[in-house]
Amino acid sequence: GAVVSQHPSWVICKSGTSVKIECRSLDFQATTMFWYRQFPKQSLMLMATSNEGSKATYEQGVEKDKFLINHASLTLSTLTVTSAHPEDSSFYICSATGQAKIGYGYTFGSGTRLTVV
Amino acid sequence: GENVEQHPSTLSVQEGDSAVIKCTYSDSASNYFPWYKQELGKGPQLIIDIRSNVGEKKDQRIAVTLNKTAKHFSLHITETQPEDSAVYFCAARRDNYGQNFVFGPGTRLSVLP
Repeated sequence: GAVVSQHPSWVICKSGTSVKIECRSLDFQATTMFWYRQFPKQSLMLMATSNEGSKATYEQGVEKDKFLINHASLTLSTLTVTSAHPEDSSFYICSATGQAKIGYGYTFGSGTRLTVV
Repeated sequence: GENVEQHPSTLSVQEGDSAVIKCTYSDSASNYFPWYKQELGKGPQLIIDIRSNVGEKKDQRIAVTLNKTAKHFSLHITETQPEDSAVYFCAARRDNYGQNFVFGPGTRLSVLP
């Protein structure tokens, strides 16, 4: 149990375009989802926390107008990188948890490698 | 806020030897400490975790120890195999619903055949 599906696994886009990444919990209700960014050979950096039905809470330094997060249902959260630039190229990872899983390690998606050209 | 340090940043061992990775944390209120394994191009996978009311936990070749007083915890892998090669992250958080993890910087483990 506790499977989180993330799509796409990789995407290449042109500068100035927008890219949407989906994170789905397949077998549990994910009331909270986290979005991380990971640069090569570095640790995971939390970008934002999203609770179902409410606005996401962004970490300091993360532009909320650039990284749009929507958590409209208990099984789906999306991250949209708007007006992407080459410096947005990175590995983006989501993780999810639900009230039924208090005290458990959060489940991570498989990540999305974004390359902006 | 919480700060997690992790050492070493890279570790190479011969197949069959043991590997130890150490982490320290700063927030005495943290009480849940998972370890994640991340293979190249993939998301982190939980391999073992420990709570602050326990000093040691073992799962086959993997064990974690926790010293709550000193605020450090360690991952021990015995009889290492090439497939253990990956980046390992420790993390800490308060075991409350919705709390975020603070991750260590990671350790790149290479098991040499």
